[in-house]
Amino acid sequence: AQTVTQSQPEMSVQEAETVTLSCTYDTSESDYYLFWYKQPPSRQMILVIRQEAYKQQNATENRFSVNFQKAAKSFSLKISDSQLGDAAMYFCAYRRVRTGNQFYFGTGTSLTVIP
Amino acid sequence: GAVVSQHPSRVICKSGTSVKIECRSLDFQATTMFWYRQFPKQSLMLMATSNEGSKATYEQGVEKDKFLINHASLTLSTLTVTSAHPEDSSFYICSALNARASYQETQYFGPGTRLLVL
Repeated sequence: AQTVTQSQPEMSVQEAETVTLSCTYDTSESDYYLFWYKQPPSRQMILVIRQEAYKQQNATENRFSVNFQKAAKSFSLKISDSQLGDAAMYFCAYRRVRTGNQFYFGTGTSLTVIP
Repeated sequence: GAVVSQHPSRVICKSGTSVKIECRSLDFQATTMFWYRQFPKQSLMLMATSNEGSKATYEQGVEKDKFLINHASLTLSTLTVTSAHPEDSSFYICSALNARASYQETQYFGPGTRLLVL
C-alpha cells in the first residue's frame, strides 16, 4: 500500500500570513492523483485542491497552492493570507489511477490560525 | 454539485443492537462509494469499497459479517453495524466518486455519522 506522511502534526499561523503544510508519499507508480482535504470542527471533509501527477504545473485554487515535486515525492500545501476559517485538520491524500479507487490518507496536520 | 448526505448524523444505541447508516449522493450518480472510520484526532481509515450492484471489498482486518455494506442503487449505499459493541463507537464517514464528473478521481465526502454504543 502507498504511504502518505505528514510530518507536522500541528502548525500555527498568524492571520493574514502564509503557512506551508508538508506531505510526502511513497509510490512506485508514475501516474496518480494527489489531494489536500480540509476537515474543520464540523468534521465535514472538504476538498481543497487536487493535482494530477502527469501535470508539471502546480495546482492553484485562490489562496491555496501546491508545490508538487514528483521526483522528491513531495506535495506541500501553501495557504496565503490565512483566515480564521482556515483553522482545521488538513489531510494529504494519494489516489492510484489504474488499480482500484482507494485513497490513502496521511495522518493529518492540525492548523491553528492566530488572530 | 457533488453533495453527499449521511443519515443519521448521530446515533446512540444499546450494545447488541444493529445500526444502519445511509449514504446518499444527492445530485450525481456514484458507482463507487467508500466507508471510512475515524477515531478522535486520527486520520480516516478505509473500511470498505462499495460498488453498485456487486459485493463490497473490505480492507484487511475489517469484519465483513459485522459491517454489512449494501450498494443497491447508484445513489445509495448503506453500512449496517451488526450486534454493535462499545468498541464500535466511532465516527463513520462515507464518500462517493462522481462517475460522470470531469474529475472522476475525486471523492466527495458525507458529513459523517457519530455512533455511540452504550
